[in-house]
Amino acid sequence: GAVVSQHPSWVICKSGTSVKIECRSLDFQATTMFWYRQFPKQSLMLMATSNEGSKATYEQGVEKDKFLINHASLTLSTLTVTSAHPEDSSFYICSAPRWVTDTQYFGPGTRLTVL
Amino acid sequence: SQKIEQNSEALNIQEGKTATLTCNYTNYSPAYLQWYRQDPGRGPVFLLLIRENEKEKRKERLKVTFDTTLKQSLFHITASQPADSATYLCALDGDDKIIFGKGTRLHILP
Repeated sequence: GAVVSQHPSWVICKSGTSVKIECRSLDFQATTMFWYRQFPKQSLMLMATSNEGSKATYEQGVEKDKFLINHASLTLSTLTVTSAHPEDSSFYICSAPRWVTDTQYFGPGTRLTVL
Repeated sequence: SQKIEQNSEALNIQEGKTATLTCNYTNYSPAYLQWYRQDPGRGPVFLLLIRENEKEKRKERLKVTFDTTLKQSLFHITASQPADSATYLCALDGDDKIIFGKGTRLHILP
């Protein structure tokens, strides 16, 4: 089946620093990728839709200047958390849809802890 | 308001029995519903999709039903095993994006 990878799987950083998370589709091209955030015992919350070759679309309440998204190729999207604060600590998950089958393939997630 | 609800936060089922999870939605008209499994600290894994014109879908020990009149989907795991213990998420297509429920944590007791 389709595989999506994420890197790193976990990261600990100091408050005020920036962290980049990569999401790759390994065996298919993804013109669209989604970025989610999940707090403990909560559902997946869509943050933004990443579109290859164009600007990302952000959900209401998500600061686009804080969560920078770049979708430079058909297999790679990156999420950069800028000037991270402890409240940004969460589980970040990306996904890539296969529209033909109306399914999404999720990455394994990145656990971000901001000290 | 629009809602997607999974009625049980947690469910304990004895091994070998059938586990049934419920997903209800309000003020959506989804073309399809999806079910995912999520293990702790991992991303969700797609299990099944059922379209609005399908009443039932099966895959091995899994069965999903979709009732557009009741606005409900049921997810069944037959002959449940401890390895089936996980959080199960339902999701639907709404407002040009996939909307997820909060999930049900299923514990299969040996």
